Amino acid sequence: EAGVTQFPSHSVIEKGQTVTLRCDPISGHDNLYWYRRVMGKEIKFLLHFVKESKQDESGMPNNRFLAERTGGTYSTLKVQPAELEDSGVYFCASSQASGGRDGYTFGSGTRLTVV
Amino acid sequence: GENVEQHPSTLSVQEGDSAVIKCTYSDSASNYFPWYKQELGKRPQLIIDIRSNVGEKKDQRIAVTLNKTAKHFSLHITETQPEDSAVYFCAAPDYGGSQGNLIFGKGTKLSVKP
Repeated sequence: EAGVTQFPSHSVIEKGQTVTLRCDPISGHDNLYWYRRVMGKEIKFLLHFVKESKQDESGMPNNRFLAERTGGTYSTLKVQPAELEDSGVYFCASSQASGGRDGYTFGSGTRLTVV
Repeated sequence: GENVEQHPSTLSVQEGDSAVIKCTYSDSASNYFPWYKQELGKRPQLIIDIRSNVGEKKDQRIAVTLNKTAKHFSLHITETQPEDSAVYFCAAPDYGGSQGNLIFGKGTKLSVKP
């Protein structure tokens, strides 16, 4: 089966610009998660979709971040306007069962650099 | 919500030695504990997991132990090889959200020296 795909793999943008990250989960996985890893730190939870619904967005840092999953398939994460502290690797993951009962399959991540 | 602590942050061993990474969690309701391995520039990959109805699980050179009373679990790698060098993350579910999402430790960078 195809894995979780993310693009772009890298993005370098200037402070104040907008960036949109995309994630295509494994087909049939209702659960989709966004995480972020800032250099040297933990993989930090951002939000969780079940199909097209936001199940938990408690990890979203502020209202500059907007995630969508129209139709319950792929998801986008938009950062607008980007700030320097938004730099990091953004991972998407999907699972058939929710995270408390089964492991995730991660995408390769998008490395975002805000300059 | 769940809090996961992971130690050590870095670990260096000689090839052939064993490596142990430890994690603690805070939510006694947690019942699923996966470990992920992230090689440089690659995605985190699930290498082993354990559920709360067992105390130990092995898969070749990798084992995970769980102590529910003490709320800690550990990853054991025996006969380490250079290809084991990576960052390892433990995780536990956070049931504070409606369906549970995984909370990760800060990672352990394992270096295996030939």
